[in-house]
Amino acid sequence: GDSVTQMEGPVTLSEEAFLTINCTYTATGYPSLFWYVQYPGEGLQLLLKATKADDKGSNKGFEATYRKETTSFHLEKGSVQVSDSAVYFCALSDMDSNYQLIWGAGTKLIIKP
Amino acid sequence: DSGVTQTPKHLITATGQRVTLRCSPRSGDLSVYWYQQSLDQGLQFLIQYYNGEERAKGNILERFSAQQFPDLHSELNLSSLELGDSALYFCASSVDRGPYGYTFGSGTRLTVV
Repeated sequence: GDSVTQMEGPVTLSEEAFLTINCTYTATGYPSLFWYVQYPGEGLQLLLKATKADDKGSNKGFEATYRKETTSFHLEKGSVQVSDSAVYFCALSDMDSNYQLIWGAGTKLIIKP
Repeated sequence: DSGVTQTPKHLITATGQRVTLRCSPRSGDLSVYWYQQSLDQGLQFLIQYYNGEERAKGNILERFSAQQFPDLHSELNLSSLELGDSALYFCASSVDRGPYGYTFGSGTRLTVV
């Protein structure tokens, strides 16, 4: 069945550092891919998404490119801020999952000033 | 405000008791999903309703039940509560099948003492 694997956290970076959070997936179909963010004490928010190969999703300085050849959707940001500290979830949905979101385990990001 | 409303925000109750969590989906969304999130951050899918009918079931305990009403709001009933049921319970909604992702509510934090 479909699955999503994220790098384990926590990931600790200094402010203005470059961020990469790895996400790879397994799917038999052609999934849509998502990144959600959960700030402390809040619900999950959709950060960005991509629905087909080579699409790039972007929002709030974050980017992720749908790479079908490597089945990856890595999240990147060029210069992180303390306010980016949160838990980041990678997810996919496709026909095989009946369009239910299949979630990664989440990666906690800690940004130090 | 995501458009998904969950009440109450916090709930403290004793073991053995029964509680009801309520969710109003975003306007126009027909699907409602319930998730449990424990301290280890992972999201556990409980159940999905679509337009009043159960569509998918995850790892929902027999002590838990849910329903979706004609006005599309949903309730999650948790009974015979145990200490281990303490968690954040999220509701999410979506339009229907397709690469749309979900919109999450801010959650109900349940503490069983």
